[in-house]
This record gives sequence, C-alpha cells and structure tokens, in this order.
Amino acid sequence: QVQLIQSGPEVMKPGASVKVSCKASGYVFGTYGINWVRQAPGQGLEWLGWISAFNDKTKYAQIVQDRVTLTTDRSTNTAYMELRSLRSDDTAVYFCSRRVPENYYTLDVWGLGTTVTVSS
Amino acid sequence: EIVLTQSPATRSLSPGDTATLSCRANQSVSSTTLAWYQQKPGQAPRLLIYGATSRATGIPDRFTGRGSGTDFTLTITRLQPEDFAVYYCQHYGRSLMYTFGQGTKLEIK
Repeated sequence: QVQLIQSGPEVMKPGASVKVSCKASGYVFGTYGINWVRQAPGQGLEWLGWISAFNDKTKYAQIVQDRVTLTTDRSTNTAYMELRSLRSDDTAVYFCSRRVPENYYTLDVWGLGTTVTVSS
Repeated sequence: EIVLTQSPATRSLSPGDTATLSCRANQSVSSTTLAWYQQKPGQAPRLLIYGATSRATGIPDRFTGRGSGTDFTLTITRLQPEDFAVYYCQHYGRSLMYTFGQGTKLEIK
C-alpha cells in the first residue's frame, strides 16, 4: 500500500539546521508531489511548502521561505525538508504528505510525522 | 491571500447527533479548491472531502461536504465515537499555496 515513512525525532539547538526525510513506497514516486505541513504543540496545521517529485518545482510558504529547502532523491524515492536557523517556535511535528492532482491537489496520504524540538 | 475561518472552535455533541461544521473564506473560491481533513490526537490528518463535496476513498457517507463561494460546511450524521476529533478545512488555489483553517474540535458531550 501507499506509505510515507518519515525519519525519527530530532532535538536541535537554536540556530542549527534540521533535515527531515520522507520515503515513499507503493506508488510511482515521480507521479505526485510532496507537501510539508507542521503542527506546533496544541496548535493547528501550518503549510510549509511542496515539491514536485517529477521536476523538483517548489513552492514555499512566506513564513519560512527564507529558511526552508525542499528536495527529492528519485533514486531512493525520498523527499527531504531542511529548515535552517532554527528557533524555539519551530518546535513542532513535521508531516509530509502526497499531493494528488486528480483530487484537486489535496493531500491523500500522510506520514506519521517527525517531532522536531528546538531547545538550548 | 485566502484566509479560512472555521466555526465553532469547539462543538460538544453526543453519539448519534448530527454535527455541522463551518468554514468561511475571506474571498470567493472555487469549490474544487476546498477540502476537509480529520485529525485525531497523536495521528496525522486524514483526507475526508475534496472538491468541496467528493468523499475520499473509504470515507463513509455519514460525512457530507457542501458549499460554494465563501461558505462551506461539513456535516457528520449519526456521530460515532470515532468521529470525535479535530476537523480542518483547507484551500489550494491559483497561488499554488495551501491554507488551513484553524480547526474545529468535535468533543463528546
């Protein structure tokens, strides 16, 4: 079945960078895009950006566009989200999800999330 | 920029009741751009409705999406214990950017 397997939890210092991975299986990776969404403790969902797994086209949310980079590795069917200059308010669960054109680009399959904690 | 406002913030109902959740956009949007997700504690969101009215695979017909323009609703009939969760509406449009509402928590009364 279609799955997105994310990397494990991270504890980072302020100012550091973190790179979260999202490995896809069960479908042709290059057919769909990958979205990244985060959720701070007790808060709602916040969209960060998406990347086409076909041509690496990206779109970023304004709130993080200066600090985030999305990439893919089609040889391993893996998407990556790197967030730089971490701050305490970047502490959140980071989700990747599959972006499906035939469902009006909604997000039909999600990873379980990666907890990123930023603390000195 | 599209802003989605969901109401109420919290809704307390009993199993068997009908829930109607609202999502209002600050400007008119195409129905094809509106979706609903369900999220339970400690879990990832789950797609319920896309294109404002179409149920995602495996979603029971107790879940119904309606609306157009700026006003959209998610109705859940015959509430089951597993339906008590947080519900988010989401927009994706010509800007190629996604926006989520702040969520409505559906709790057991």
